[in-house]
Amino acid sequence: QIQLVQSGVEVKKPGASVKVSCKAFGYTFINYGISWVRQAPGQGLEWMGWISGHNGNTKYTHKVQGRVTLTADTSTSTAYMELRSLRSDDTAVYYCARDGIGGMWRLDHWGQGTLVTVSS
Amino acid sequence: QSVLTQPPSVSGAPGQRVTISCSGSSSNIGADYDVLWYQQLPGTAPKLLIYAYSNRPSGVPDRFSGSKSGTSASLAITGLQAEDEADYYCQSYDSSLSGYVFGTGTKVTVL
Repeated sequence: QIQLVQSGVEVKKPGASVKVSCKAFGYTFINYGISWVRQAPGQGLEWMGWISGHNGNTKYTHKVQGRVTLTADTSTSTAYMELRSLRSDDTAVYYCARDGIGGMWRLDHWGQGTLVTVSS
Repeated sequence: QSVLTQPPSVSGAPGQRVTISCSGSSSNIGADYDVLWYQQLPGTAPKLLIYAYSNRPSGVPDRFSGSKSGTSASLAITGLQAEDEADYYCQSYDSSLSGYVFGTGTKVTVL
């Protein structure tokens, strides 16, 4: 069945970087995209960006553009989200979700989430 | 900050019908972009509940239905069950932000 399996918990200091992985199983990776969504403690969902599994095209939300880089390795069906210059308000659970090949489709399968804590 | 507004909470007794509103604008719901709904059970990842305004993925009970009118959308849950107690989020695309936007979220409580 379709599964997205994310890497484990991360604890980082302010100013550091974090890279979260999302490995896809059960479907053809290059026929879809991956969106990343984060959720701060007790808060709602916030879309961060999207990457095409087909050609690596990306879109980012203005809020994190410049600090985030999305990449995809088609040989391992794995997507990555790197966030730099971490701040305390980046503390959140980060989710990957399957999206359309061109983006702006629907998030029909989600990873289990990765908790990233930013603290000195 | 969210650009789609939902009520913080709704509640109902088992078997009742509840509705959750999602208010947007002319750059998202009003521009005829798709409206989707997600259910998030405590401590778990969101799950797609409704897409293309009113379509349900395989496995989602027909107790859940979606609709859209103008710049707003709604999710209805009929025959409310204890297992429906969760947070619900609407989502659309916003042309002025050039990306997805989510609603503020609504907690459904089964009395």
